[in-house]
Amino acid sequence: GESVGLHLPTLSVQEGDNSIINCAYSNSASDYFIWYKQESGKGPQFIIDIRSNMDKRQGQRVTVLLNKTVKHLSLQIAATQPGDSAVYFCAETTGGGYQKVTFGTGTKLQVIP
Amino acid sequence: SQTIHQWPATLVQPVGSPLSLECTVEGTSNPNLYWYRQAAGRGLQLLFYSVGIGQISSEVPQNLSASRPQDRQFILSSKKLLLSDSGFYLCALDRLNEKLFFGSGTQLSVL
Repeated sequence: GESVGLHLPTLSVQEGDNSIINCAYSNSASDYFIWYKQESGKGPQFIIDIRSNMDKRQGQRVTVLLNKTVKHLSLQIAATQPGDSAVYFCAETTGGGYQKVTFGTGTKLQVIP
Repeated sequence: SQTIHQWPATLVQPVGSPLSLECTVEGTSNPNLYWYRQAAGRGLQLLFYSVGIGQISSEVPQNLSASRPQDRQFILSSKKLLLSDSGFYLCALDRLNEKLFFGSGTQLSVL
């Protein structure tokens, strides 16, 4: 079946550096992509999203890039801070009567002080 | 703003015991409601979703069931828990053209 996966299970980054978390998806019909951040013992929190008619979207310190040609999604975090340490999930959906969102397995970001 | 209440935050249950996890929402009406399960170090697996009162769809065959007795209440149940039911259970909601919003979750340990 269709799936969403992440390239790296764990990423260690020095505080102040930029972080890049990658994600590959296989469903070419997906039209909406989302990044979530999950801290230990908590539910996922929305970070940023992007629709398939866009290549790039920027938020506060975060940027999502979408390459539909190779079915690749990335999350860039500028000036990574200790509070950014968490597991990051990419997710994709094709919409419909309800949002059937498919999540990847997650990448753990460790920020080194 | 919308809020999801889940309780309890943690739960330890023996194998074979029943389960009832409740999720209630505030600040929105007619939401789609979801139950997800997350195994340790893994992604989220959709268990059930509901588009309205009394309407439940199951995504995977399992030992669990769900009910939606009220618009803003979603309940996850089991008559007899299995070891494999252990995990982090998350209630979520969305509305048309809006992204999934998650509750704080319940960590269930079946021993």
